[in-house]
Amino acid sequence: EIVLTQFPGTLSLSPGERATLSCRASQSVGSSYLAWYQQKPGQAPRLLIYGASSRATGITDRFSGSGSGTDFTLTISRLEPEDFAVYYCQQYGTSPFTFGGGTKVEIK
Amino acid sequence: EVQMLESGGDLVQPGGSLRLSCAASGFTFSSYAMSWVRQAPGKGLEWVSAISPTGASTYYADSVQGRFSISRDNSKNTLHLQMSSLRADDTAIYYCVKAYFHTQYSGLDCWGQGTLVTVSS
Repeated sequence: EIVLTQFPGTLSLSPGERATLSCRASQSVGSSYLAWYQQKPGQAPRLLIYGASSRATGITDRFSGSGSGTDFTLTISRLEPEDFAVYYCQQYGTSPFTFGGGTKVEIK
Repeated sequence: EVQMLESGGDLVQPGGSLRLSCAASGFTFSSYAMSWVRQAPGKGLEWVSAISPTGASTYYADSVQGRFSISRDNSKNTLHLQMSSLRADDTAIYYCVKAYFHTQYSGLDCWGQGTLVTVSS
């Protein structure tokens, strides 16, 4: 099983700042099959990024993904109030298709 | 509009069984892989199981392998999760989720609102 480790666990930032979230895999993620999701309290998750760097339909270009192999990054260029949430990475290249533990982005 | 409506969540005793269902609409159900993802109260996401568009291939998390079974009825646009030998750590909201692309090797783009399964005596 591929274990995904997300860090930091919590990121405290102010609106307008840049957020950099990391996701490290215990082994290489095949074909960069890595996705990022956003989840707000009481809501289902929302797909942001697939294929490590492609934005899903309707996702603002404030969100960008990068990386390959075992190291991946989600960047939010300028935090808007609605971006404060929990973010998860998931690999879907090798079953079981595991999630990381999440990074909470909170208002400083 | 793409929608997934889960049902079947309940309070069940340890060792018991439960069958979850998900009614899908707004897309060609038979063309997309589907998954179940769960979230324990106050915890992160855990991928549970996936099934290919035709149902020929199924995939499971190690934690549920041998206890859970995923299936689909493409004639009724319905996804199921048969759960047995339930344990307290199976307590969670269970989400039915559509694949972004047709294949199971895909991100998950449309999520239901979830159904709560509570395993307790």
